[in-house]
Amino acid sequence: SQQGEEDPQALSIQEGENATMNCSYKTSINNLQWYRQNSGRGLVHLILIRSNEREKHSGRLRVTLDTSKKSSSLLITASRAADTASYFCATFKAAGNKLTFGGGTRVLVKP
Amino acid sequence: DSGVTQTPKHLITATGQRVTLRCSPRSGDLSVYWYQQSLDQGLQFLIHYYNGEERAKGNILERFSAQQFPDLHSELNLSSLELGDSALYFCASSAYRGVGEKLFFGSGTQLSVL
Repeated sequence: SQQGEEDPQALSIQEGENATMNCSYKTSINNLQWYRQNSGRGLVHLILIRSNEREKHSGRLRVTLDTSKKSSSLLITASRAADTASYFCATFKAAGNKLTFGGGTRVLVKP
Repeated sequence: DSGVTQTPKHLITATGQRVTLRCSPRSGDLSVYWYQQSLDQGLQFLIHYYNGEERAKGNILERFSAQQFPDLHSELNLSSLELGDSALYFCASSAYRGVGEKLFFGSGTQLSVL
């Protein structure tokens, strides 16, 4: 079963708008990672946030982590057509040494 | 380019057959991971090798096996193939023994079982 579940499953926005997607998980984690996948291609790592961190930024990306609610969010600001992709959260538990991916959010940025 | 190389990019075969997928990790990376991606199951972790030794197993079927060689490349062997094995198979690598750090993914092998 998947540890992380993304919401929404799909998102359609206009270029320049912000895109927000959420990830919920069920058990405690050591870190949470976000990856991007362009259609049919390999996944690309975007950002990693550890369980003792609450917020991280990388360029136009902002990730938050709320361990009390077992949830994370990924915000893409000022979206571009090139941001069109699927975005996956992945949770890491040291016990078991596994990185488990959620089902992903498909984002379409219309020019 | 992630630096992880997977071959072949596409593979079409018949039920009951056996195939081998190959992965070369990034230069210097000792860990190799295999994932299966399908529409109904999403991204499923199969297996993790570190420096030639198996470190963790996920939802890997008994018909599937993998190994990591002394030169650190890895092969995933899929046998007695079924229609449901059709999927995108990804290899990923990292420099670390644990999987807590970011992974670098290859572009995948698209397997079609007819």
